[in-house]
Amino acid sequence: ELKVEQNPLFLSMQEGKNYTIYCNYSTTSDRLYWYRQDPGKSLESLFVLLSNGAVKQEGRLMASLDTKARLSTLHITAAVHDLSATYFCAVDRSYNTDKLIFGTGTRLQVFP
Amino acid sequence: DGGITQSPKYLFRKEGQNVTLSCEQNLNHDAMYWYRQDPGQGLRLIYYSQIVNDFQKGDIAEGYSVSREKKESFPLTVTSAQKNPTAFYLCASSISAYSTDTQYFGPGTRLTVL
Repeated sequence: ELKVEQNPLFLSMQEGKNYTIYCNYSTTSDRLYWYRQDPGKSLESLFVLLSNGAVKQEGRLMASLDTKARLSTLHITAAVHDLSATYFCAVDRSYNTDKLIFGTGTRLQVFP
Repeated sequence: DGGITQSPKYLFRKEGQNVTLSCEQNLNHDAMYWYRQDPGQGLRLIYYSQIVNDFQKGDIAEGYSVSREKKESFPLTVTSAQKNPTAFYLCASSISAYSTDTQYFGPGTRLTVL
């Protein structure tokens, strides 16, 4: 059974600092997604990672995928308050379907 | 504007009642999904549909039912058999169930059992 674990579950960081969120998954998958969720809101797609070694960047966020290690990272550079949200990774559980398994999420709080 | 709409935004249900949550998309997507989110947790798949007139159970389908009579619509019924239905329900769609495209989510319906 595919399991997806994120750590940390909660992250409080100061503006301007860097940090990394980790997403580990238990079985082979070539597709990994990162989403952002603001409190009480829906999910917003951030990144789609489709192959080993894939790296994508948008603003202060950079995501990477290592399929051999079954690990994805979401790196935050010089955090700002607007990045405060919950971040989810999700892994496609099967090669030919779009059925996702979500991690439990990392709640990020950025303070001045 | 293309997107996914869900209604109502908030829904209150008395015990023993069935309620139906609406999900509509105008993105021309083939695949649609229903997820449940409990506080402080990730999303769990309830049902999904890869094409009109076809749907499959997800991980937590017990106490729920769906229909897919039109491409644009994928309503979810929460039946009285669902013992703990209070949660945030999210509908999503993607181009097809076999694509690598991301899933796009609606704004959600918050269901509370009184």
